[in-house]
Amino acid sequence: AQKITQTQPGMFVQEKEAVTLDCTYDTSDPSYGLFWYKQPSSGEMIFLIYQGSYDQQNATEGRYSLNFQKARKSANLVISASQLGDSAMYFCAMREAGGGSNYKLTFGKGTLLTVNP
Amino acid sequence: DTGVSQDPRHKITKRGQNVTFRCDPISEHNRLYWYRQTLGQGPEFLTYFQNEAQLEKSRLLSDRFSAERPKGSFSTLEIQRTEQGDSAMYLCASSRLAGSSETQYFGPGTRLLVL
Repeated sequence: AQKITQTQPGMFVQEKEAVTLDCTYDTSDPSYGLFWYKQPSSGEMIFLIYQGSYDQQNATEGRYSLNFQKARKSANLVISASQLGDSAMYFCAMREAGGGSNYKLTFGKGTLLTVNP
Repeated sequence: DTGVSQDPRHKITKRGQNVTFRCDPISEHNRLYWYRQTLGQGPEFLTYFQNEAQLEKSRLLSDRFSAERPKGSFSTLEIQRTEQGDSAMYLCASSRLAGSSETQYFGPGTRLLVL
């Protein structure tokens, strides 16, 4: 089974509008971390935001916020006031704390975001 | 604070040749990771080091793949007898051991094309 599912292969948004990128995850580990990365066409993975499974509040970093719904196992990324430079691939990733896997990230397939002027 | 660097950024090789990639992590980071990313997919974990110790290598794709981090600083990933299926982006990341919020920072990657 897929551990990270990103159901939107591509998304379009108008400049200055908000957009939500979906991510659902699958784990039985009570302790885990969820990450979002941005990958422009140049290839570098840029860390955006982190949410821990025990965090009581949704994470925010500038224009990025994470809509964390633990019971639904979803961790959607919200980008407010989109900019042309936000056009990129976005990846959701998870690190599970137990089972000897507390080092590697497991990634989804990504969502290609295009911001239109 | 300089980020993770990788060299070369691009590599074109012929099938059967050996290739070696280098990764220089962020200086105070003691963990270093290698991932592979094929077209249309997210990165896939290959191996990682804590200082100079390679703590997980079972995900290396075959015995043609090997990685080293001899002094706990830079790392190399070698692919022997390359095959066309090895064509991919090879990403390196580093982190500082920091519990559950430990964040991996990635380099720009090395794009490999095997002809």
